[in-house]
Amino acid sequence: SQQGEEDPQALSIQEGENATMNCSYKTSINNLQWYRQNSGRGLVHLILIRSNEREKHSGRLRVTLDTSKKSSSLLITASRAADTASYFCATDAYSGAGSYQLTFGKGTKLSVIP
Amino acid sequence: GAGVSQSPSNKVTEKGKDVELRCDPISGHTALYWYRQSLGQGLEFLIYFQGNSAPDKSGLPSDRFSAERTGGSVSTLTIQRTQQEDSAVYLCASSLLAVLYNEQFFGPGTRLTVL
Repeated sequence: SQQGEEDPQALSIQEGENATMNCSYKTSINNLQWYRQNSGRGLVHLILIRSNEREKHSGRLRVTLDTSKKSSSLLITASRAADTASYFCATDAYSGAGSYQLTFGKGTKLSVIP
Repeated sequence: GAGVSQSPSNKVTEKGKDVELRCDPISGHTALYWYRQSLGQGLEFLIYFQGNSAPDKSGLPSDRFSAERTGGSVSTLTIQRTQQEDSAVYLCASSLLAVLYNEQFFGPGTRLTVL
């Protein structure tokens, strides 16, 4: 079953506005990652936040993590048309023998209108 | 190579036929993952390899699906007797190790259409 669930499923904003996407998860995590996918093809890693971190920045991206609420948010500031994509959160899961795998949510489809 | 590559990029097949999908991970990456993504959906984990062994096959949807990895590098995902519900984009990813805090690098995917 899906560990992470993104909200909203779809988001449409004007270029220059900020976009906020949320992710909720069910079980304890070690880290949470955000990925971006263009046009249904490969995903690109954006940012990783560890369970002992509350906020992390990378360029125009800001990620927060609230482990007490089991939720994370991704903020994209000053959005551009090129930010149009689907955004997924992924949480780690122990898969045995010292190995971990990621469990992805269904994603938020962001459309930035020029 | 510079990134993860997958072939073919698109595959159209008839119901009942077998298909093989190939993934070339980033050189030196020991962990390799297969996912399936149906239209408008998230990623469904299928299987992962640490080296040549597959510790977790729990995501394979049925016994028609199998995967192998040889030489700790190239992996093939085989779907036997394809069904229409197998139509999806199959994504491969690799990471340095299958450990905590490891970023996964994705290939462009293979879009499979079963008629």
